[in-house]
Amino acid sequence: KQEVTQIPAALSVPEGENLVLNCSFTDSAIYNLQWFRQDPGKGLTSLLLIQSSQREQTSGRLNASLDKSSGRSTLYIAASQPGDSATYLCAVRHSTDKLIFGTGTRLQVFP
Amino acid sequence: AAGVIQSPRHLIKEKRETATLKCYPIPRHDTVYWYQQGPGQDPQFLISFYEKMQSDKGSIPDRFSAQQFSDYHSELNMSSLELGDSALYFCASSLGQGRTTNEKLFFGSGTQLSVL
Repeated sequence: KQEVTQIPAALSVPEGENLVLNCSFTDSAIYNLQWFRQDPGKGLTSLLLIQSSQREQTSGRLNASLDKSSGRSTLYIAASQPGDSATYLCAVRHSTDKLIFGTGTRLQVFP
Repeated sequence: AAGVIQSPRHLIKEKRETATLKCYPIPRHDTVYWYQQGPGQDPQFLISFYEKMQSDKGSIPDRFSAQQFSDYHSELNMSSLELGDSALYFCASSLGQGRTTNEKLFFGSGTQLSVL
């Protein structure tokens, strides 16, 4: 059974810091991995999708990497801003259509 | 660009009542997914449909049912509501099934269901 874990569960950093969020999954037979952002009580905003054949994807200040063999993905956020404060979720698409979500990292960036 | 639309945005029901949640996928998307997110928890997959047929089933209670209609919108029907059903219910859509197309899932803003 695929299990997705995210570390740390919560993170509080001052504005301007570069930070790394970690995601690990137990079954490396994935089709893709997607990073989402969720603001409190709100929907999920897709940030990046990495296909199983890819190693990384970049969008603005965000960079996501994927090491499928070791079951790991990282989301790197450069020059963090208070507006980045949210919960970040990774999700893997496993052998079926559904996404399996990680436990999330709650990020707070303070001025 | 059009996004996934869910209605209603908020819903308050009492125990043992029924509720119907609606989801309108992004135009031309043929696959719809339903997720349930309890307070402080990660989203849990309930059920999905591809081309109006159920394609996968997760932790959906027998009291719940869902379907996808000819215009690709989907409805989640919930009966005999319990307090534990209070959650944020998300719908997501994609084009084709992910294992073949590697398409992103796009999520709606969710329906917040409160069962009193």
